[in-house]
Amino acid sequence: GAVVSQHPSWVICKSGTSVKIECRSLDFQATTMFWYRQFPKQSLMLMATSNEGSKATYEQGVEKDKFLINHASLTLSTLTVTSAHPEDSSFYICSARGGVSGGALEQYFGPGTRLTVT
Amino acid sequence: RKEVEQDPGPFNVPEGATVAFNCTYSNSASQSFFWYRQDCRKEPKLLMSVYSSGNEDGRFTAQLNRASQYISLLIRDSKLSDSATYLCVVNGGSYIPTFGRGTSLIVHP
Repeated sequence: GAVVSQHPSWVICKSGTSVKIECRSLDFQATTMFWYRQFPKQSLMLMATSNEGSKATYEQGVEKDKFLINHASLTLSTLTVTSAHPEDSSFYICSARGGVSGGALEQYFGPGTRLTVT
Repeated sequence: RKEVEQDPGPFNVPEGATVAFNCTYSNSASQSFFWYRQDCRKEPKLLMSVYSSGNEDGRFTAQLNRASQYISLLIRDSKLSDSATYLCVVNGGSYIPTFGRGTSLIVHP
């Protein structure tokens, strides 16, 4: 099956610093990557959709200047949490999907990044 | 009404039982449907896609009912290792995915 890696798997940072999370599709080209956030015992919340070479589309309520997304290649997308605060502590998960025009409708998830802001 | 709704459970069943989950969706133009499984503190893993004709993979059977706008997942001969949260995912317009809140399954000895 398709493999997606995510790095780092966990990070602890001080309030006010920025954290970059990488998401890579290892064995397929990801036309689209999604970024999610999940708080304990809650469902996955889609933050943004990113298509390679285009600006990300953010969901309502997600600050694009705070959560910077770059999808510069077909195998890599990054999420940068800028000026992180304790309320940003969460489980951030990326997923990747091939081209829907080619019938690749399923998304495959990275293992997630657990962010703790102190 | 939420776009994708699932009974959160938990469904508490003995080993060997058959259990079924439903998931309803509100967007009649939804394009594609999936079941994922998520273990505690882990990422979701694709369990199966749901096709119009229904599909089966071992002990797991998925069905789609477009008229009533729901999908179902049937698990036969439940194993302890089936304990997890089962997420329903619906691709809407532009193939943007929407997740249900998940249904928790606990299989006990």
